[in-house]
Amino acid sequence: EIVLTQSPGTLSLSPGERASLSCRASQRVNGNYLAWYQQRPGQAPRLLIYGASSRATGIPDRFSGSGSGTDFTLTISRLEPEDFAVYSCQHYGGSPLYTFGQGTKLEIK
Amino acid sequence: EMQLVESGGGLVKTGGSLRLSCVASGSGFGNAWMIWVRQAPGKGLEWVGRVKNKDDGGTIDYAAPVKGRFTISRDDSKTPLYLQMNSLKAEDTGMYYCTAERSDGSHSIDDWGQGTLVTVSS
Repeated sequence: EIVLTQSPGTLSLSPGERASLSCRASQRVNGNYLAWYQQRPGQAPRLLIYGASSRATGIPDRFSGSGSGTDFTLTISRLEPEDFAVYSCQHYGGSPLYTFGQGTKLEIK
Repeated sequence: EMQLVESGGGLVKTGGSLRLSCVASGSGFGNAWMIWVRQAPGKGLEWVGRVKNKDDGGTIDYAAPVKGRFTISRDDSKTPLYLQMNSLKAEDTGMYYCTAERSDGSHSIDDWGQGTLVTVSS
């Protein structure tokens, strides 16, 4: 079973700062199947990044994804007020078929 | 892009049943792999089950916690999609999202409904 561990659990930053969120897999995974989601309070998640580094349609270029093997990172270059939300990573493959990390809450400092 | 609307959630007693529906509009439902994802209050996302499209065999897979109790049905690639939930437990409480995978083989989830809330209580 693949487990995705996200860190930190909560990240406190100010608008304009750079955010780096980590997603670590318990075993080597296929980066083609690694995705990131944003979830604002009271809303459904929204796909940000797929294939570890490709931005989904309509996602601003301040969002970027990187990594391979067991370590993946979501970077937000300059935080906007609307970026403060919960971010989750997800992997496909193995058991269970779709695995999600527990999420990182990005809050305003 | 597909628009997805869930319904059928509500309050049910432990051991009871509910059937969730997901109506899709826009393009692509017939070709999409559809996935149910849930989220317990204040918790992370959890995969519930997936049904492939007809061309890919229509195979259905379930997460271990719901296997044998939940059933996904998809009638010849027509909307709506259903999630029949039996023998409900308190730990099944949460928001249930109907979703669709991207069609590019990345197995990421591109389309999400707004969710329907299921509360299981004794």
